[in-house]
Amino acid sequence: GESVGLHLPTLSVQEGDNSIINCAYSNSASDYFIWYKQESGKGPQFIIDIRSNMDKRQGQRVTVLLNKTVKHLSLQIAATQPGDSAVYFCAEGFQKLVFGTGTRLLVSP
Amino acid sequence: GAVVSQHPSWVICKSGTSVKIECRSLDFQATTMFWYRQFPKQSLMLMATSNEGSKATYEQGVEKDKFLINHASLTLSTLTVTSAHPEDSSFYICSARGGVGQDMNTEAFFGQGTRLTVV
Repeated sequence: GESVGLHLPTLSVQEGDNSIINCAYSNSASDYFIWYKQESGKGPQFIIDIRSNMDKRQGQRVTVLLNKTVKHLSLQIAATQPGDSAVYFCAEGFQKLVFGTGTRLLVSP
Repeated sequence: GAVVSQHPSWVICKSGTSVKIECRSLDFQATTMFWYRQFPKQSLMLMATSNEGSKATYEQGVEKDKFLINHASLTLSTLTVTSAHPEDSSFYICSARGGVGQDMNTEAFFGQGTRLTVV
């Protein structure tokens, strides 16, 4: 069945460090992935997406890498800031959105 | 990005009553809307997917008679929690995406969420 999971529940980093959040998926037919950021008490906020015909996509301070061979994707945040502290979810977006467990990112000043 | 408005942001109701939550896409036509439920410190659990003008598709284990979903227009979907009980207390979030056919794989935009407390 479909499942999207994350490796680490909590990631603590220092301000200015680069952060890497990982995600594994099980549906080999998945062809579209999205990273969301969720702050406490709010709905998820779109960060970046990637389609299966790509291995890498860059945004502002963020990069998503997709490895279809091992069904793994990651979100890299450069120069992490305290405002980046939140829970990050990957989601598989083909036809419906299935969310992973989530990783809480804690950024210390 | 596109804006999805969810209302109310919080509601307290008595056990046995029904509560309606609205989800509106403000600046785009939402051909598909998703409804999620989220418990504290947990992920979003997909409850149902609705396409405008057709019946919602519920995920396994979600009671369709308890969680009524209506997607009557391209900008509005509603979730009604019928005969609410304390165990229905949760954070409910809607999401909307536009596009059809080959354009279905597009980002989905989320509402602010509704905190439901049943007493």
